[in-house]
Formats: sequence, structure tokens, C-alpha cells
Amino acid sequence: DAKTTQPPSMDCAEGRAANLPCNHSTISGNEYVYWYRQIHSQGPQYIIHGLKNNETNEMASLIITEDRKSSTLILPHATLRDTAVYYCIVRAYSGNTPLVFGKGTRLSVIA
Amino acid sequence: EAGVAQSPRYKIIEKRQSVAFWCNPISGHATLYWYQQILGQGPKLLIQFQNNGVVDDSQLPKDRFSAERLKGVDSTLKIQPAKLEDSAVYLCASSLERTGSIGYTFGSGTRLTVV
Repeated sequence: DAKTTQPPSMDCAEGRAANLPCNHSTISGNEYVYWYRQIHSQGPQYIIHGLKNNETNEMASLIITEDRKSSTLILPHATLRDTAVYYCIVRAYSGNTPLVFGKGTRLSVIA
Repeated sequence: EAGVAQSPRYKIIEKRQSVAFWCNPISGHATLYWYQQILGQGPKLLIQFQNNGVVDDSQLPKDRFSAERLKGVDSTLKIQPAKLEDSAVYLCASSLERTGSIGYTFGSGTRLTVV
């Protein structure tokens, strides 16, 4: 079972920041937080991952709380092409533990 | 670099028929995964390969599903016989590192409809 909790859906105005929350209160010390998104009719796409420090790349920023029990994915300037289902996943760094997907958050970017 | 290639893109079969899906991972990626995604749900892992060996197939319905990865590169997933509840998108993914510090790359999937 997925070890994260996400809201089922969110709306965001085009050009505004989209902030997607994720709760992972049972996260272990060796587990990373991964974010993927799935645009309609495509496979999931890797966005970003982090352990405890905030991370930023060309797609998004990941903010992890100090106690690591929750995180927020930030898309700084959402576009219509960011409309997708966003998955927050916790996964151990070592071993063969695969990605376990929940139902994710369906983000709708509105013009 | 080229992505993960999957074929066919779509397949419609009758129940009790057999079907096979093919996946070509990114060159050099040792780990390969097959996921099943039923409409409205997140992907569910079916099987994980490391090179040509099976790492985890605990959620593969082995009475009807089988998978192989010959020579540690391409992989095929087969269903025989198919049931109505097998209607789903079958996703293949690969990753460079066993530990997964780098993300997976997914293919676009094969959409199977069983009628």
C-alpha cells in the first residue's frame, strides 16, 4: 500500500504557482520522497526527489518539512501542459524496494 | 537518449484469448519493471527484473501472467488466458541503478481492452 496521503484533486490558475501537498507521517530515515506526474495517455514522468533538504530542478521545487512528515511540490509558474496526475511516493534508497503508487492528485491548470 | 519503447500501443482481445506485450528499456538500464494501471488508479507493480533475473514477482498473477527478460535487455509480458478484469494499461519502466537514487523512466504503455 502507498505510504502517502494526497488530496484527490486541485485547481490552479495558469501562470500561478501550484503547491501540491503530500503527507508521509510514517516515513523512515532511509526513505526518499519522490514525485512523478502522469499526463493523459502517457507513462509517469519523474519530476524530483529528496531526502531531507529542499531540492530544485528545472521542473519544480520540493520542500520537505524538518520532521520529514510532509512535503510540498511547487510548480512555480503553472501552464496548461502541467495538467496531470501528480504522485508523491516514499521509497527506501537501498535494496530492491520498487516505487509504490497511490491515487495521486489530479491537478487541473485553468486558463 | 531514446526512451523506453513499448508495443503494441493498443490491443483489443476477447476473454480467454492470449496476448503479449513487448518492452525495450533504455540502453544500459539493468532494472526493468512491469506495472498494471487500471483506469482511475495508480500503477501497480507486477514484476521487477535485475538484468535477466526476477527480483520481485509477488504481485504477478502467475496462473495467467508470465514475463521474461532475455539476455537482460528486452522483456515480454504475456497473459494467457485473459479475463475482463485484465483491461488496463501495462507500463514498462527501467532504471539505471538498483537502488533507485535516480528516477525510473516509463514507456507510454500498452492499453489492453478485454471484451
